[in-house]
Amino acid sequence: GAVVSQHPSWVICKSGTSVKIECRSLDFQATTMFWYRQFPKQSLMLMATSNEGSKATYEQGVEKDKFLINHASLTLSTLTVTSAHPEDSSFYICSARGGQGVYEQYFGPGTRLTVT
Amino acid sequence: QKEVEQDPGPLSVPEGAIVSLNCTYSNSAFQYFMWYRQYSRKGPELLMYTYSSGNKEDGRFTAQVDKSSKYISLFIRDSQPSDSATYLCAMKGSASKIIFGSGTRLSIRP
Repeated sequence: GAVVSQHPSWVICKSGTSVKIECRSLDFQATTMFWYRQFPKQSLMLMATSNEGSKATYEQGVEKDKFLINHASLTLSTLTVTSAHPEDSSFYICSARGGQGVYEQYFGPGTRLTVT
Repeated sequence: QKEVEQDPGPLSVPEGAIVSLNCTYSNSAFQYFMWYRQYSRKGPELLMYTYSSGNKEDGRFTAQVDKSSKYISLFIRDSQPSDSATYLCAMKGSASKIIFGSGTRLSIRP
C-alpha cells in the first residue's frame, strides 16, 4: 500500500518551454501533497504544500508564478515549471499524505528535469 | 545553525558490519522522527518512524530517539550490499512540516 507515482520519470526540454509533472497516489486518497526539489548530493527542499481543492502554499523563495501547482483531486497533483531555464534542472519529487493525523509521507520516484 | 544536522559521509563498511547513522536536532518541539532510505535517482522510502523517545526495532533495523540529548540513531545489523544508499533522517512537530537532514551516503563493501 501507500504507492505514489510520478510521470514522467525524466524529461528534457528546451529553455523557455513549460513542463508538467504529474503525481498520483495510487491506493489511497491524498489530502495533502508536497513538492520537493533535490540537487545532487543534497537533501530535499520543500517547494510547496497543497491541499485538495485549495491553493498551494509556497515556501519562502519559491516563485509561485513559475512553479504552478494544481491539486485537482484526492489522487492527483501537478507541478508545471513555466518558462523553464537551465537553472531549473533538478530532481523533483512529490510526496503524499492521507487524512488527518497521518504524519507519514510517501514519496514518488521523482522526475529528473533537464533544461537545455 | 541548521534545525537538523546529519553527517553526509560517505560511510563505507564491510558486509555484515553493524552500521550506526545519527542525527542531531535543535528544535525541542519535534515529536515525530523518521528515517528514509533513498537509492540513487529514486524517491525516498520510509524505513522507520518513531514517536517521542525510545527504541523501535524492525528486522535488521533499530531506530533510537533520545529527546533529552536531541539525538536520533538508526542501526543496521548484518549490513548487506543492498543497504548501500543515502539515509535521510527527518522529523516534525505536531503541526509543522517535515524537516530533513542532508542525508548520509552509505556503502556496504561485499
